[in-house]
Amino acid sequence: KAGVTQTPRYLIKTRGQQVTLSCSPISGHRSVSWYQQTPGQGLQFLFEYFSETQRNKGNFPGRFSGRQFSNSRSEMNVSTLELGDSALYLCASSLETLSANTEAFFGQGTRLTVV
Amino acid sequence: AQKVTQAQTEISVVEKEDVTLDCVYETRDTTYYLFWYKQPPSGELVFLIRRNSFDEQNEISGRYSWNFQKSTSSFNFTITASQVVDSAVYFCALSDPSRGGADGLTFGKGTHLIIQP
Repeated sequence: KAGVTQTPRYLIKTRGQQVTLSCSPISGHRSVSWYQQTPGQGLQFLFEYFSETQRNKGNFPGRFSGRQFSNSRSEMNVSTLELGDSALYLCASSLETLSANTEAFFGQGTRLTVV
Repeated sequence: AQKVTQAQTEISVVEKEDVTLDCVYETRDTTYYLFWYKQPPSGELVFLIRRNSFDEQNEISGRYSWNFQKSTSSFNFTITASQVVDSAVYFCALSDPSRGGADGLTFGKGTHLIIQP
């Protein structure tokens, strides 16, 4: 059974640009959630998508957005990039929503560097 | 608000020693879930265990064991006879379903475990 796949693995962008990250969950999983990991703030919840709907959103500015497709694949978009957006972005896949008793499995992440 | 504290930033032990990673959590709810994840240098968070708040039984899986104590709000993780391959950053996390997953998984800052040969 394939795990969670995130693409690309590495990205370098310039301030002001926008970026789109992709996550393919485990087959059959309907929930995808996104996390930002930085040395200073650690792992922080960005948002969760379930059945193509955003269910929850963490405390991040509107520049961070996402969507989920009918096949459960999810994309995350960051517009007007800032240096502070440099981070490892991790995607988690779970069978049910995070409000249920469910396990979340993570991908290897996309390392974004903003210069 | 919920919170997870991993007071040990870094632990270094010699191979074959036993090591315990501490996790203390805060939540106002009676129903919640606790997790441990391992993050090797590759970056992926590897799921290790999930425990719900109503199940205080300790669990053992090979060299890994977990001690959940609601009275002290702790969920500690012990590796017996550590190996170099256990070197990684370990995260404890909390999920509070009463808020519909509004906070996602709340993670501690992680403990960097170094196993020296």
